[in-house]
Amino acid sequence: DIQMTQSPSSLSAPVGDRVTIRCRASQTISSYLNWYQQKPGKAPKVLIYAVSSLQSGVPSRFSGSGSGTDFTLTISTLQPEDFATYYCQQSYSLPWTFGQGTKVEIQ
Amino acid sequence: EVQLVESGGGLVQPGGSLSLSCAASGFTFSSYWMSWVRQAPGKGLEWVANIKEDGGAKYYVDSVKGRFTISRDSAKKSLFLQMNSLRAEDTAVYYCASLTMVGGLTWYFDLWGRGTLVTVSS
Repeated sequence: DIQMTQSPSSLSAPVGDRVTIRCRASQTISSYLNWYQQKPGKAPKVLIYAVSSLQSGVPSRFSGSGSGTDFTLTISTLQPEDFATYYCQQSYSLPWTFGQGTKVEIQ
Repeated sequence: EVQLVESGGGLVQPGGSLSLSCAASGFTFSSYWMSWVRQAPGKGLEWVANIKEDGGAKYYVDSVKGRFTISRDSAKKSLFLQMNSLRAEDTAVYYCASLTMVGGLTWYFDLWGRGTLVTVSS
């Protein structure tokens, strides 16, 4: 199975900051990498698919990059509504696997 | 409205069975691969199973193979998960989700339901 490791596991940042979350795969996954946001008590929501494609309706402050085994999700200007947990997920091979999550708290 | 609504969760004893349903509306259900994804309390997300548009292909995570069965009824626009021989470690919120393919190669979970809680405990 492909292991997905996110860093950091949690972070606290003020509104307006630039935030970067990293995701590393245990083997190459080409561009088969997606990012999800989950708010407490809610279902996850896709933000970015195929490394860098922004899902319709998602604010442009979210962006993704990377290739191979190393990927990043960037929030360019953190907003209060971005308080959530973020997960990366690979769809390169079954079983599809998720990172353990990065909890973003607003300072 | 485009939505998925799960039902059927509840409390079940270890070794018991439970059947989950997911009702789709607002989109062409028969054109989409569908999935179940679960989340244990306070934990991360775990993919459970996929089913092809016509039900002709099914895939499972190893931990549920032989115990869970995914199925669908396009006439009823519904997805199902039959769970047998349940264990404490199956306790989780179960989400159904539609899959979208990109570029003929990669997939992502597009639309998600709100989830239904399954608790396995004596």
